[in-house]
Amino acid sequence: KAGVTQTPRYLIKTRGQQVTLSCSPISGHRSVSWYQQTPGQGLQFLFEYFSETQRNKGNFPGRFSGRQFSNSRSEMNVSTLELGDSALYLCASSLFPLETQYFGPGTRLLVL
Amino acid sequence: TQLLEQSPQFLSIQEGENLTVYCNSSSVFSSLQWYRQEPGEGPVLLVTVVTGGEVKKLKRLTFQFGDARKDSSLHITAAQPGDTGLYLCAGGTQGGSEKLVFGKGTKLTVNP
Repeated sequence: KAGVTQTPRYLIKTRGQQVTLSCSPISGHRSVSWYQQTPGQGLQFLFEYFSETQRNKGNFPGRFSGRQFSNSRSEMNVSTLELGDSALYLCASSLFPLETQYFGPGTRLLVL
Repeated sequence: TQLLEQSPQFLSIQEGENLTVYCNSSSVFSSLQWYRQEPGEGPVLLVTVVTGGEVKKLKRLTFQFGDARKDSSLHITAAQPGDTGLYLCAGGTQGGSEKLVFGKGTKLTVNP
């Protein structure tokens, strides 16, 4: 069974631009969560989607948004990028919310 | 805000030594998970503990959940270079805002 895949793996953007990251969950998994990982703050929860609905949202500004499609694939978008948005963005999938999460390899975003 | 404090932040030891990593909080968690993350990859789940006082063993790794479900420890016996990585604990919350709260991690280096 294929694991969680994230694209792209690496991304370089400049301040003010926007970016869209993609996550394909493990086949059959319907819950997708997104996390931001930085050396200073560690892993921080962004949001969780289940059956195309956002169930939970972390404490991030409205520039961070996401969505989930009917095939459970998910995207997250960051608008008006800031230098502090440079981070590893991780996606995790599970069969249902609160069940064991399986993480993808992440997308490393660098904002210049 | 529920926080998980991990200690130590960094640990460098020689192959064959024993070590313990701690994960503490003032909050009660419904479950506690331990992950290991290697460079360039997403976290991989090692174990989930759900009952206060629970002890689980995974080969040379022993995980314990505190009686009050506020803290946990990971003990590694006879560490090997393959144990090198970032160890993360994550607490499961409930009560209307179910999500995983992560500690900042312990970066372990085992030197041959």
